[in-house]
Amino acid sequence: RKEVEQDPGPFNVPEGATVAFNCTYSNSASQSFFWYRQDCRKEPKLLMSVYSSGNEDGRFTAQLNRASQYISLLIRDSKLSDSATYLCVVNINPGTASKLTFGTGTRLQVTL
Amino acid sequence: DTGVSQDPRHKITKRGQNVTFRCDPISEHNRLYWYRQTLGQGPEFLTYFQNEAQLEKSRLLSDRFSAERPKGSFSTLEIQRTEQGDSAMYLCASSTGRSSYEQYFGPGTRLTVT
Repeated sequence: RKEVEQDPGPFNVPEGATVAFNCTYSNSASQSFFWYRQDCRKEPKLLMSVYSSGNEDGRFTAQLNRASQYISLLIRDSKLSDSATYLCVVNINPGTASKLTFGTGTRLQVTL
Repeated sequence: DTGVSQDPRHKITKRGQNVTFRCDPISEHNRLYWYRQTLGQGPEFLTYFQNEAQLEKSRLLSDRFSAERPKGSFSTLEIQRTEQGDSAMYLCASSTGRSSYEQYFGPGTRLTVT
């Protein structure tokens, strides 16, 4: 089993749609969770950290379910500019304060 | 621009040659990370520095790979006797190490081994 698993997509959605991405992680002791966005041939950019209580940033909502070891990202009112790959990222081994473990990414294509 | 910078952005080399990449982290960040990303995959951790100390190395980092951060500022990643399988994007990231371990990435060095 991969340490961080995501549906690779692609998700093709019309502008204005709501889309949700899911991610599961293998280590129940993991403590830090993130969503990164990566445009084609660019570096990953931090979209948002994911907190236990869930958090929202504009059109983006992230949630964490520790019991199911599951993270989600919801994008409302999709824009063409949201087209990118969304990477689920976990600090799998807490206490090491080091490596992040990335999922393979979910590709989103927003169309007119 | 005060973000993470990497040099060169692109490198084409012949198999068997040595290459060296440089990363300059965000100035107040004491933690520096190297990752490798191949097409269709997420970045994979290679190694991590806290100040000048290399604290963790992945099994992916064979003995042909070496990384340094001599003064706790910039870092270099050297690959000796490159192989075609080394072709990838090499990403550097940095963080403060405070709260939640958010890491910020540089633009990467794209290596092509012919």
